[in-house]
Amino acid sequence: KQEVTQIPAALSVPEGENLVLNCSFTDSAIYNLQWFRQDPGKGLTSLLLIQSSQREQTSGRLNASLDKSSGRSTLYIAASQPGDSATYLCAVEPTSGTYKYIFGTGTRLKVLA
Amino acid sequence: DTAVSQTPKYLVTQMGNDKSIKCEQNLGHDTMYWYKQDSKKFLKIMFSYNNKELIINETVPNRFSPKSPDKAHLNLHINSLELGDSAVYFCASSEVEESGYTFGSGTRLTVV
Repeated sequence: KQEVTQIPAALSVPEGENLVLNCSFTDSAIYNLQWFRQDPGKGLTSLLLIQSSQREQTSGRLNASLDKSSGRSTLYIAASQPGDSATYLCAVEPTSGTYKYIFGTGTRLKVLA
Repeated sequence: DTAVSQTPKYLVTQMGNDKSIKCEQNLGHDTMYWYKQDSKKFLKIMFSYNNKELIINETVPNRFSPKSPDKAHLNLHINSLELGDSAVYFCASSEVEESGYTFGSGTRLTVV
C-alpha cells in the first residue's frame, strides 16, 4: 500500500532563505508526482508535475526533484518570500490508470518578513 | 475564468439533511474527481469519473452519491448527513493522467 510522508510538518524561515521540503513514498512504482500549494480557505494550486521518467522540473524559484529508486522527492524554494507561506502537499499517482492521487500530510511553511 | 468551480463555498446544515455540492470545469478535461480533506488536512480520494463513467469509488458510505450529467460536471450528493461528514470537499479535473490535476477552491461542509 502506497504511503506518502512529508517532513517537516511545519517550518518557519526568515525571508530570503533557500529551503527544501521533503516528500517520501513507500512504493517506488509511481506514474507521476505532483507538488501543490494550499492557501487557507483556498483550493490547491498545482506547482510542478514530474513524470516517472523525469528527474526534475523547474518553475521560477521552484525546483522539484524525483528519485524514484529511493522513493523521494524534494521541493526546493529559492530566496523565499512571505508570499510563499502556505501548506505544500506532494501527491503521487501510483500507476497509470488508477486515476487517483495519494497525498502526503503536507508541510506548513511560514516565511517571516 | 474559473477553471474548476465548486458551489457552494460554505455549507452549514443540520444532521439528517440531504445536500448537494456542484462542480463544473471549463477546461475540457475528461476526468473529474472528488476528494475529502479531513480536520488534519489529509486529502483522500472519494470518486473519479472519466467521460461520465465511474472509475473509482473508494470506501465511502453509500450516503454519498456522485452524479455526472455530462463531462464538465460532477456533483456530489450526500444523504442523511452526519457530524463526521464535516470536512472540506475538493473537486478536481484532469485532461489525461500525464497532465496532473486542477483543483477547485473547495467546499467547507459543517454539519451541526
